[in-house]
Amino acid sequence: GESVGLHLPTLSVQEGDNSIINCAYSNSASDYFIWYKQESGKGPQFIIDIRSNMDKRQGQRVTVLLNKTVKHLSLQIAATQPGDSAVYFCAENIAGGSYIPTFGRGTSLIVHP
Amino acid sequence: EPEVTQTPSHQVTQMGQEVILRCVPISNHLYFYWYRQILGQKVEFLVSFYNNEISEKSEIFDDQFSVERPDGSNFTLKIRSTKLEDSAMYFCASRGSGPLEDGYTFGSGTRLTVV
Repeated sequence: GESVGLHLPTLSVQEGDNSIINCAYSNSASDYFIWYKQESGKGPQFIIDIRSNMDKRQGQRVTVLLNKTVKHLSLQIAATQPGDSAVYFCAENIAGGSYIPTFGRGTSLIVHP
Repeated sequence: EPEVTQTPSHQVTQMGQEVILRCVPISNHLYFYWYRQILGQKVEFLVSFYNNEISEKSEIFDDQFSVERPDGSNFTLKIRSTKLEDSAMYFCASRGSGPLEDGYTFGSGTRLTVV
């Protein structure tokens, strides 16, 4: 089965709301995680990353939370805007390997004005 | 900001034909990757390339696939005899030799349609 997966394939929110996108991973050897945003017709775009020695990391309007106990990752987007509408992927990198991002299935975020 | 450039943006080919997808990674990057994404599905790893050789490949990357870095700037993916199921978006990515946090940069992809 997949080592990285997402709980919700589609998330619809109103503009201004906070969004939370979840991701589960199963490989306990993963030590580096990345969230990507993919807009239609484009390649994955880096949003934020986190190492396994951290449980929280904040960027501009985005926060990633890592819970290693339950192998869970989440991306929080504050004050979601229509421009945030995209598919979001989490990706894990396995320690000791060639650090190849392994992508999960993706969640489609739809932001309604 | 440096970009990974992929050409063509869209390629239509007949089943059984060979296609070459081209990528120009960021100039000082050393690690190169090909991924594919079938419509509506996740991004799947195909192959990684470092120091002029394949460093890792997935089960998808079978004998019909090959990669090459023919000169100092291009990185190509060749599919020898295309099948209908090869229809997908193909993404090239590159990474520098610095820490992982310097990031992987993805191109905008080539949409391959096999008819």
